Parts: sequence; C-alpha cells; structure tokens
Amino acid sequence: NVMLTQPHSVSESPGKTVTISCTRSSGNIANSFVQWYQQRPGSSPTPVIFENNQRPSGVPDRFSGSIDRSSNSASLTISELRTEDEADYYCQSYDGSDRVFGGGTKLTVL
Amino acid sequence: QLQLQESGPGLVKPSETLSLTCTVSGGSVSSLSYFWGWIRQPPGKGLEWIGSVYSSGATYYSPSLKSRVTISVDTSKKEFSLKLSSVTAADTAVYYCARDNTNGWSTFYFDYWGQGTLVTVSS
Repeated sequence: NVMLTQPHSVSESPGKTVTISCTRSSGNIANSFVQWYQQRPGSSPTPVIFENNQRPSGVPDRFSGSIDRSSNSASLTISELRTEDEADYYCQSYDGSDRVFGGGTKLTVL
Repeated sequence: QLQLQESGPGLVKPSETLSLTCTVSGGSVSSLSYFWGWIRQPPGKGLEWIGSVYSSGATYYSPSLKSRVTISVDTSKKEFSLKLSSVTAADTAVYYCARDNTNGWSTFYFDYWGQGTLVTVSS
C-alpha cells in the first residue's frame, strides 16, 4: 500500500516562507495528483491546493504546490507567513482508486 | 453553497455496528463526476480515508477497513451512509463526510466537508 510521509512538525517566523514535504513510498508521484489540506484546531480540513499546484477559489496566492520527480515528493510552500496559517497540513493522493492521506504536519508560526 | 451534515449516535458499544448518515444540502448526490466519502480522525491523530460511494452505488473502500465497512447512497433522500461493524476502542474518532471531487475524472480530492461528529466506542 502507498504511504505519504510528512515531517511531524515545522516552525517559522511571521513574514517568512516555509515548505512542507510529502514523500510517496512507491509509484511515481507524477502519475497521481497531490492535494493539500489545512486543518485549524477544532475545525474540519479545507483544501488549499489540488492537482499538485491549483488553488481553490479564495485561497491566497501565498500558498503554492509543486512536485519533484527526483525525490518522488510533493511540497506545499507558504510565503509571507501569518499567525493565522498556524495549523495542521495534510497531503493527499491516490493509488488507483484508493485515496491516501499523509500523516500531517503541524505548522507553528512563532 | 454545498453543505454536508453528519448524524448518528455518539456512543457505540464494542463489537456493535457504527452507523452514520450524511445529509447533503445545496447540491445533489446524483451529480456527475462526484463521489461522496467518509474520512475519520482519531483524537490527536491524522486523517484516514474510509471509503467513497458514487451515485450509481459503486463503492471504493480502504483496504485496511474493507472487511468491516459498507457505504451506501440514497439519491432520493440526498444522503449517504456509513456502517462500520465489529467496532473496538480503536474506532473512536471524529467521522467526517465529504464530497469526493474527481474534477472531471482527473483526480480525487475532498472539496467540501461536514463539521464532523465524534463517535466513542465504549461499554
């Protein structure tokens, strides 16, 4: 079964840029789109990136996504960090028809 | 605006069957190119996909839960349901329903989520 591995936590200062990685255990990262979700405490997840690098309506362009075939991984980059960006972030992709989530990364903005 | 709302018992006894329903408003469960999915999140842990159903009744289940899960859809009631059998304490989690968007059959992603409902498995 495919696994998506994320760092447990990252931290950065307001105004800076942070990148969260998501490494696919098997299969080509480029063959299945990657999505990213933000989950603030006590709230449901909301998508911030779909299809590797597309932003849903209403998501600021400070959020961007990419994939790296050489490391078989995807990345979520958040620039101009704000305290409101502090949340858990999950990557998600699929293996055939099986949807798969990464373990999540806690972003601290301090 | 599409809205999803989970409903069902908040407490289930071990070995019994967990049953939840998701009611969809502001849209139709019969819409083409959308599945309807269930995702759960144990307290303090990450998200786990349980399964998804299409309006035709076609289903996809997580391999790790497949033997215990049934997901069905009722297009006339604009709702879909989850049944998880033989539950244990490990099934205690917040259960979310969500629209599973294929974006024209190019991907699978969850674009609208319910607020979630906590189900505790305990005697």
